[in-house]
Amino acid sequence: SQKIEQNSEALNIQEGKTATLTCNYTNYSPAYLQWYRQDPGRGPVFLLLIRENEKEKRKERLKVTFDTTLKQSLFHITASQPADSATYLCALVSSGGYNKLIFGAGTRLAVHP
Amino acid sequence: ETGVTQTPRHLVMGMTNKKSLKCEQHLGHNAMYWYKQSAKKPLELMFVYNFKEQTENNSVPSRFSPECPNSSHLFLHLHTLQPEDSALYLCASSQYKAGVPDTQYFGPGTRLTVL
Repeated sequence: SQKIEQNSEALNIQEGKTATLTCNYTNYSPAYLQWYRQDPGRGPVFLLLIRENEKEKRKERLKVTFDTTLKQSLFHITASQPADSATYLCALVSSGGYNKLIFGAGTRLAVHP
Repeated sequence: ETGVTQTPRHLVMGMTNKKSLKCEQHLGHNAMYWYKQSAKKPLELMFVYNFKEQTENNSVPSRFSPECPNSSHLFLHLHTLQPEDSALYLCASSQYKAGVPDTQYFGPGTRLTVL
């Protein structure tokens, strides 16, 4: 079955460092992958989308890579700030259709001053 | 604000109650979704509506009954729920087009507790 794995342990880093989050998937050939941010008690908010033919995508301090050979996406936040503390979710489109997203459980990021 | 609102934000109900969750999107989208999010688990897609037609029912128990009267409103009717149904219920919308990556906009969710 299609499966997405994100590190369930929280990632703790110091302010100003680069945070790197991992998303691995199996039994998939996704056309694209998305990353969302979720704050406690709130719904997820879309951050970035990367297509299978794109190796890297950037948006301000955010960078996403997509390696279809390794079946992995990395999400980087450079010059991290305490306000970046949240849970980050990756999502892949299901083989059932372009708007049927399957989400990972998310990784909690805590940025300490 | 994402343009998707949900009411109520919190709901406590007994197993014999009947209640409804409401979602409204102000984005002009043509697709709406219900997700369930339990602690430490991934979001689970429950229902998908494209152009007001239900196109996905992800093996959801019949005690959850969705309704989509128009492209801006989505309801989730609840009856005879179980304690394990306690979770955060999220509504989302998107501008769905076949073959185009779908970015979804989520509401703040309804925190449901079943006693």
